[in-house]
Amino acid sequence: EVQLVESGGGLVQPGGALRLSCAASGFTFSTYSMNWVRQAPGKGLEWVSYISSSSSTIYYADSVKGRFTISRDNAKNSLYLQMNSLRDEDTAVYYCARSSGPFDDWGQGTLVTVSS
Amino acid sequence: DIQMTQSPSSLSASVGDRVTITCRASQGISNFLAWFQQKPGKAPKSLIYAASSLQSGVPSKFSGSGSGTDFTLTISSLQPEDFATYYCQQYNSYPRTFGQGTKVEIK
Repeated sequence: EVQLVESGGGLVQPGGALRLSCAASGFTFSTYSMNWVRQAPGKGLEWVSYISSSSSTIYYADSVKGRFTISRDNAKNSLYLQMNSLRDEDTAVYYCARSSGPFDDWGQGTLVTVSS
Repeated sequence: DIQMTQSPSSLSASVGDRVTITCRASQGISNFLAWFQQKPGKAPKSLIYAASSLQSGVPSKFSGSGSGTDFTLTISSLQPEDFATYYCQQYNSYPRTFGQGTKVEIK
């Protein structure tokens, strides 16, 4: 069974930083591309970032480019999102999602709250 | 960026009703279109990929169609567990983009 478990969310002040993790199990992590998707309270889904299986290709949404960094450690079956210079509008539940083109499986999400 | 527009934004329906949700892409995306179901407080669940292919384990009451710019998700006979918000998403190009969602509520 595919499992994706996010962690690292919490309350942070504007301008602060946070690192999210996504622990993967139940599949061969190193062969799948991965994504981060977020959902602000009461709002829709917003794709944030993509990383290919070998980390050779990375994409970001314009809204986070230059502030967020996606990475992965295939030896640890883990995906990361380093979030710097956080803004109020980054407040959201952050999901990791496995993709083989379409998004196949999602984690349960971790809540990031940016507030003073 | 490719804009995805869903309609309606919300609908009220009764158990047993046939429900259709529409998704339109701002440019052609072939069949690189997925549908997701999300219940309150839960992660999205993948229903359909490649516009019309059911994900493993998804009941056949869900069906998808379309190609190019116009797509539909149909629920043949609405059941209590189907009341949720549904999103379309294009995976033809980056940035990946979602529709704004369609909330299916009980009439």
